[in-house]
Amino acid sequence: AQSVTQLDSQVPVFEEAPVELRCNYSSSVSVYLFWYVQYPNQGLQLLLKYLSGSTLVKGINGFEAEFNKSQTSFHLRKPSVHISDTAEYFCAVKIYNFNKFYFGSGTKLNVKP
Amino acid sequence: EAQVTQNPRYLITVTGKKLTVTCSQNMNHEYMSWYRQDPGLGLRQIYYSMNVEVTDKGDVPEGYKVSRKEKRNFPLILESPSPNQTSLYFCASSLGGGSYEQYFGPGTRLTVT
Repeated sequence: AQSVTQLDSQVPVFEEAPVELRCNYSSSVSVYLFWYVQYPNQGLQLLLKYLSGSTLVKGINGFEAEFNKSQTSFHLRKPSVHISDTAEYFCAVKIYNFNKFYFGSGTKLNVKP
Repeated sequence: EAQVTQNPRYLITVTGKKLTVTCSQNMNHEYMSWYRQDPGLGLRQIYYSMNVEVTDKGDVPEGYKVSRKEKRNFPLILESPSPNQTSLYFCASSLGGGSYEQYFGPGTRLTVT
């Protein structure tokens, strides 16, 4: 079975500091990778996606992620966070040529003033 | 406005009483999916549909049914709900055909007593 591991369940960080949210997946075949954000009491919203091409992907709200095939990782980064970035972030994987999606357990980002 | 709607948003029911959660999208998307979100487990896919009359199991289909008679609607049916189905449920849709970005509904919080 496929799996997606988000190594940190909670990440506290001060405003304007950089942050990295880690995501690793297990798959021996090609994958598509996604990061979603969930604000309190809302559905999920796509931050960014990797389908092919450049391994550095830029998304909305200043977030970016880097696909590392050898380490099967897709870590999310932001150089300077804002209070409004406080939310839960989910990494997701779709296996090439299969129609299922697999989500990680989520990382709660708590930005403090 | 392009959106995915779910009804009801909140539901409290008793064990064994059949219920249906509706999901509708107005974006002419081919792919639709149901997820449940549980603390510490992230989102797990219940069922998905590639198009009208085409459905398949996700990772946790036991106790659930779906149907896709029209492109815009994808109801989730719990024929005999049990307390372990207490969860937050999300419907999502995507265009299909190589576009994998999913658009999520606002969620349905179900409590089975």
